[in-house]
Amino acid sequence: AQKITQTQPGMFVQEKEAVTLDCTYDTSDPSYGLFWYKQPSSGEMIFLIYQGSYDQQNATEGRYSLNFQKARKSANLVISASQLGDSAMYFCAMRDNMYSGGGADGLTFGKGTHLIIQP
Amino acid sequence: NAGVTQTPKFRVLKTGQSMTLLCAQDMNHEYMYWYRQDPGMGLRLIHYSVGEGTTAKGEVPDGYNVSRLKKQNFLLGLESAAPSQTSVYFCASAYASVRGDTQYFGPGTRLTVL
Repeated sequence: AQKITQTQPGMFVQEKEAVTLDCTYDTSDPSYGLFWYKQPSSGEMIFLIYQGSYDQQNATEGRYSLNFQKARKSANLVISASQLGDSAMYFCAMRDNMYSGGGADGLTFGKGTHLIIQP
Repeated sequence: NAGVTQTPKFRVLKTGQSMTLLCAQDMNHEYMYWYRQDPGMGLRLIHYSVGEGTTAKGEVPDGYNVSRLKKQNFLLGLESAAPSQTSVYFCASAYASVRGDTQYFGPGTRLTVL
């Protein structure tokens, strides 16, 4: 069963607009972590933001914020004031069993969203 | 501080050939990982290691072997390459913690098997 679902294969957004990239997840474990990575055309994977399932507040990192809705099992990435350099693939990823010995486990990735920022 | 480096960056193999991909990190991370990325897919975990001398299988381990003889290095081997192993391979590393820490990725190795 797919654990991470990103329903937007591609998005076109005007520069300076805010962007929301959708991510829903599936897990029965109460302790898990959600991650967003950016992959520009050069290919490297760049860590953006992390949200733990027990975190009381939504995570923020500069222009990135994570809209975490636990009951709906969604962890959408919000990019404020988009820039041309934000054009890239964006991947949502999850690791569960965070506090039950799963600290070393690998990440499960979604298929990604290709974001294109237009001038 | 180079972070996570991967060697080589590109490689073309013929079916049946063998090769080893090297991952090195200088952040003193305990955990290291190998993923593959195929077109239209997210990354999938091949093998991982929680420390020197230990390895474990991930989601797609068949056809690959790994070794972690030194803490800073994690090797991925293909004994008999197949066209289905054409992919981009990423190495990642992370600090050891009960909760699990953020994984930092290398630049990737693009492998083509003819």
